[in-house]
Amino acid sequence: EPEVTQTPSHQVTQMGQEVILRCVPISNHLYFYWYRQILGQKVEFLVSFYNNEISEKSEIFDDQFSVERPDGSNFTLKIRSTKLEDSAMYFCASSVPWDHYNEQFFGPGTRLTVL
Amino acid sequence: AQKVTQAQTEISVVEKEDVTLDCVYETRDTTYYLFWYKQPPSGELVFLIRRNSFDEQNEISGRYSWNFQKSTSSFNFTITASQVVDSAVYFCALSHSREGNKLTFGGGTRVLVKP
Repeated sequence: EPEVTQTPSHQVTQMGQEVILRCVPISNHLYFYWYRQILGQKVEFLVSFYNNEISEKSEIFDDQFSVERPDGSNFTLKIRSTKLEDSAMYFCASSVPWDHYNEQFFGPGTRLTVL
Repeated sequence: AQKVTQAQTEISVVEKEDVTLDCVYETRDTTYYLFWYKQPPSGELVFLIRRNSFDEQNEISGRYSWNFQKSTSSFNFTITASQVVDSAVYFCALSHSREGNKLTFGGGTRVLVKP
């Protein structure tokens, strides 16, 4: 069964460094998403992406964040200058536009630790 | 704006007991979708069930059942005859009907099933 994959599973970085989190969505999906979950808290929407542009973003998704689909398979989230509060689990998800329920398929997550 | 509230932060039961998780949502849309996800200690998000707003028929799927009441904006989820493997955090989520719409998650309920 097709699945969303994410790399790396765990990323440790120093404050102020740039990080890129990578996702490979399911191949025939057209909508892509990033969500964040700070430890012990709820899952929060960051951004959605369709047709090579951002379709919606949350207040969390400020100028430090960017997303890109550099080729036909990868979908990346870049954090330009990490802060301690960026430490969280980051989930990628994808969906198809014709799905009746708009069901999103989640990857296993990347745990980002900022020291 | 959409909002999901899970008032129960933690529930502890003994194996074989039934567990009911409460979820109350707010939305101005007339068409929307509701989901339950499970997050085991390993951290991934596992899709459990989904419902659309124009189908209030309650269903049972194995040990899972749900009670959707549009009049009270509630979408409660029951695990029958709980097992230790059911120990996890359970999230209720809401999505509007527009394709590519984000998921709004509740705060989660931690379920601990003791042997």
